[in-house]
Amino acid sequence: EVVMTQSPATLAVSPGERATLSCRASQSVSSNLAWYQQKPGQAPRLLIYGASTRATGIPARFSGSGSGKEFTLTISSLQSEDFAVYYCQQYNNWPRAFGQGTKVEI
Amino acid sequence: QITLKESGPTLVKPTQTLTLTCTFSGFSLSTSGVGVGWIRQPPGKALEWLGIIYWDDNKRYSPSVKSRLTITKDTSKNQVVLIMTDMDPVDTATYYCTRSSYYDSSGSFDYWGQGSPVTVSS
Repeated sequence: EVVMTQSPATLAVSPGERATLSCRASQSVSSNLAWYQQKPGQAPRLLIYGASTRATGIPARFSGSGSGKEFTLTISSLQSEDFAVYYCQQYNNWPRAFGQGTKVEI
Repeated sequence: QITLKESGPTLVKPTQTLTLTCTFSGFSLSTSGVGVGWIRQPPGKALEWLGIIYWDDNKRYSPSVKSRLTITKDTSKNQVVLIMTDMDPVDTATYYCTRSSYYDSSGSFDYWGQGSPVTVSS
């Protein structure tokens, strides 16, 4: 099974700052990596798929990069609505697997 | 517009069987490349993938629940059903149904239901 490890667990940033979130797979998942945003009391929302493709309606300040085992989600200039928990997920291998999440807070 | 909605009991007793229904609209589960999956999230914890059923009736399950989980579909009703036997308090979670499309989002989960909270307690 592929294990997804996210770092850091918590990221404290100020509005307007850049946030960089990391996700590491225990084995290569090619570019079959997605990022999701989850706000309290809400379902997750797809941000990025294919490691770097923004989903429909996702602002350009969200960008993804990486392939193989190392991936990054960058939020170029944090807005108040971006404070949330972010999960990475691989869909290259069975079983599908999520990371444990990174909480972005003020 | 694509929507998914979970329905089912909010409380089940230990050893009982959980049945959740996902009713969706805006897409067809007979379309090539489309699947509907189930993901759960215990309170305050991370997301856990449970399983998925595809347009061709191919199914995949997480090893952690494989012996207890069955996912079926009724294409004519636009519904997918999750059946999990022998429920335990550790299965307490919010259960989400999600859509996966190889053509629209390369197999990631692009649409999610609102979630169905399930508590396992006597």
